[in-house]
Amino acid sequence: EIVLTQSPGTLSLSPGERATLSCRASQSVGSSYLAWYQQKPGQAPRLLIYASSSRATGIPDRFSGSGSGTDFTLTISRLEPEDFAVYYCQQYVTSPLTFGAGTKVVIK
Amino acid sequence: EVQLVESGGGLVQPGGSLRLSCAASGFSFSSYSMNWVRQAPGKGLEWVSYISSSSGTIYYADPVKGRFSISRDNAKNSLYLEMNSLRAEDTAVYYCASPNGAGYYSAQHYWGQGTLVTVSS
Repeated sequence: EIVLTQSPGTLSLSPGERATLSCRASQSVGSSYLAWYQQKPGQAPRLLIYASSSRATGIPDRFSGSGSGTDFTLTISRLEPEDFAVYYCQQYVTSPLTFGAGTKVVIK
Repeated sequence: EVQLVESGGGLVQPGGSLRLSCAASGFSFSSYSMNWVRQAPGKGLEWVSYISSSSGTIYYADPVKGRFSISRDNAKNSLYLEMNSLRAEDTAVYYCASPNGAGYYSAQHYWGQGTLVTVSS
């Protein structure tokens, strides 16, 4: 099973700042089998990024993904008030599908 | 617009059973594979089970193997999860989720709002 380690656990930033979230895999997931999701309290997860760097439908371009192999990054270029949430990475290169533990982005 | 609506959650005693349903609309359900993903209270996301578009391929996560059964009815645009021998650690919000098409090795583009299952005496 591939273990995904997300860091930091909590990120404290102000609106307008840049957010950089990390996801490290215990083995390679290539460059096309990693996704990022956003989840707000009481809501279902929402797909932001798939295939490491492709934005899902309707996702603003302030969200970007990068990386390959075992190291991946989600970047939010300028935080908007609605971006404060929990973010999960997920690999889908091998079974079982696994998620990271999440990074919570909170208002500083 | 794609919609996934789960139902069937509730309070059940340890060892009991429950059947979850997911009603799909707004897309060609019979062409899409489907998944169940759960989230224990205050915890992260955990994939539970997968079923291919034709029901020909099914996978389960180890913690639920032998106790849960996934199925679908393409004529009714519905997905199901039969849960037996429930344990306290199965307590979670259960989401149905789908990739943008067929296949197991895919990101989940569409999610329902979830249904809460609580296993407690």
